Amino acid sequence: QVQLQESGPGLVKPSGTLSLTCAVSGGSISSSNWWSWVRQPPGKGLEWIGEIYHSGSTNYNPSLKSRVTISVDKSKNQFSLKLSSVTAADTAVYYCARATTSAFDIWGQGTMVTVSS
Amino acid sequence: SSELTQDPAVSVALGQTVRITCQGDSLRSYYASWYQQKPGQAPVLVIYGKNNRPSGIPDRFSGSSSGNTASLTITGAQAEDEADYYCNSRDSSGNHVFGGGTKLTVL
Repeated sequence: QVQLQESGPGLVKPSGTLSLTCAVSGGSISSSNWWSWVRQPPGKGLEWIGEIYHSGSTNYNPSLKSRVTISVDKSKNQFSLKLSSVTAADTAVYYCARATTSAFDIWGQGTMVTVSS
Repeated sequence: SSELTQDPAVSVALGQTVRITCQGDSLRSYYASWYQQKPGQAPVLVIYGKNNRPSGIPDRFSGSSSGNTASLTITGAQAEDEADYYCNSRDSSGNHVFGGGTKLTVL
């Protein structure tokens, strides 16, 4: 079965760029699904960040669009998130998830990213 | 602010039925999906589409929709159902959006 695993630095300095990767195992990233990033600040709800298709097509949350880049590396079967100009408000657990036409059916375990100097 | 509105907290007596609702104009055009999240864990999909359960989700979980409101019903709530529940759908631009979440307490 498909599994997702996030990786990346757990600490990012303010004004820096947050970079995370989601490795897809047990299936191909070139399947007919979109691949998403979702975050959750401590004690708060879920926020969709954006998504990518294996062709490279992307959709982003309008509130984050100016700072977000999601890319795909089919050779490594993974996709990545870059969030620039981070502040403390970007401190959150970041999840990657597979999106079918109906729902986010598979989630990674999540990785905590703290923005602090 | 979220375009999907959920009650922040709901409680149910053990073995009773509870309905968790999600309101938003986009629900007139799109089905909601529902996610259960327990402390320290990733969300888990429990309902999607008109009323579909992924493999492994108990049949006490069901979904429905009417007008601008989607509902998740747990029939015969169990202690292990205590969790946060989030709805998800699309906004008017077609982007994904989550509701603010409902904390379910099983008494």
